[in-house]
Amino acid sequence: NAGVTQTPKFRILKIGQSMTLQCTQDMNHNYMYWYRQDPGMGLKLIYYSVGAGITDKGEVPNGYNVSRSTTEDFPLRLELAAPSQTSVYFCASLPGFGGNQPQHFGDGTRLSIL
Amino acid sequence: GDSVTQMEGPVTLSEEAFLTINCTYTATGYPSLFWYVQYPGEGLQLLLKATKADDKGSNKGFEATYRKETTSFHLEKGSVQVSDSAVYFCALRTTGNQFYFGTGTSLTVIP
Repeated sequence: NAGVTQTPKFRILKIGQSMTLQCTQDMNHNYMYWYRQDPGMGLKLIYYSVGAGITDKGEVPNGYNVSRSTTEDFPLRLELAAPSQTSVYFCASLPGFGGNQPQHFGDGTRLSIL
Repeated sequence: GDSVTQMEGPVTLSEEAFLTINCTYTATGYPSLFWYVQYPGEGLQLLLKATKADDKGSNKGFEATYRKETTSFHLEKGSVQVSDSAVYFCALRTTGNQFYFGTGTSLTVIP
């Protein structure tokens, strides 16, 4: 039962470097989401997708990009890493049907920008 | 806009004490409400949910009732255990499949 898988679990970047956070789900869920979690701040939505080929901005999209070429994968790209992007990043998925369904979360990627 | 306001922590309780974590929401329409739990180093896991007014969600001794008249979804447990130490998040799901989360409440239970 893989569920939502995020890689890597930890990463340290230098300012200005780029990287891609990977997220894949094996539940055939239509909806996928990227959040960042800062200490004491809850979760803030970065981007989300309602299906392959469709993405939209969330609350804090600046400095990030996403793509959704398949139902399973929803990578998050940081092009020019900045210290303000130090955070824990969570990917989540949702079936998209039935208003009582919860999101399923990955275990997170802990990213430090130095 | 839609939002969730959650009791700030941290909360420290002795084992077998009664727990309440307050959560209120603002939303148009009829959202579904959730409590998630996050253990150290892990992602959020669903604890319980309620989908309409007066529904009671329950799991592992935790309960929460969807109160539309007070726009609340408070989490309660009658007797906490050390293993309940975690961060708890209240969340709502809109009819447009957007989720809004509270800021989280850290609970520490001491023996």
